[in-house]
Amino acid sequence: GENVEQHPSTLSVQEGDSAVIKCTYSDSASNYFPWYKQELGKGPQLIIDIRSNVGEKKDQRIAVTLNKTAKHFSLHITETQPEDSAVYFCAASSTSGGSYIPTFGRGTSLIVHP
Amino acid sequence: EPEVTQTPSHQVTQMGQEVILRCVPISNHLYFYWYRQILGQKVEFLVSFYNNEISEKSEIFDDRFSVERPDGSNFTLKIRSTKLEDSAMYFCASRQGGGEKLFFGSGTQLSVL
Repeated sequence: GENVEQHPSTLSVQEGDSAVIKCTYSDSASNYFPWYKQELGKGPQLIIDIRSNVGEKKDQRIAVTLNKTAKHFSLHITETQPEDSAVYFCAASSTSGGSYIPTFGRGTSLIVHP
Repeated sequence: EPEVTQTPSHQVTQMGQEVILRCVPISNHLYFYWYRQILGQKVEFLVSFYNNEISEKSEIFDDRFSVERPDGSNFTLKIRSTKLEDSAMYFCASRQGGGEKLFFGSGTQLSVL
C-alpha cells in the first residue's frame, strides 16, 4: 500500500518568512495529492491539491510542487502570517479504480511568530 | 459552507466497554470515512462506506469495529471491548460522488482508561 512520509514535524518561522513542508510517497500509481490544514479545535480542511499531470500549482501565498520521478511533493507558504499557524497534512491517493482512500502523512505543526 | 458534525467532542471510557462515535455527514455526500490519529502519529484510514455498505477497510478495523448509517443522516462508528490502544482522535469525513475533496469533522477524542 501507499506510504507517505512528511517532514518536518514542527516548523517555527517569523511572520513574513516562507515555510516549506515536504512529503514523499511510495506508490507510483498515486496521482492526486491534496494538502489539508487543521486549525485548533477543527477538522482538517483542504487548502490546495495537485494532480500528477501538473508540476506546480499556486493559489495566492500557497504553492505546491510535485516531482513524480522522485516521488516528492511540497507545500510552500510565502509571507507567512500568524493565522497560518496550524497543523498541515499532506496526502496521496490514486483516483482510478473507483476507490479513493487518501493516505496521510504525520502532519507538520507550523508556528508563525508575530 | 456545509459541515460534517461529530459528537461527542471528547469521550472517556473504561477498557472493555463499548463506545459509539457519531457523525452527521454533509447531506448530499455519498461516500463516508472514518480515520483516526494517535497522538504524534499518522492519520490512519479505518473504513470507507458507500451505498450502505463497507467499501474498504484497513487492518485496524478488526471485528470489534463496526459502522452503520441507521437513518440516512447519521454515520456511526462502534467500538466494542475497547482497548487502551484505541485511544486516539477519530475523524469522520464525507465526499460527494465524482469528487476527491474530503470534508472532515472536528473529531472525537477517545480516551480509554
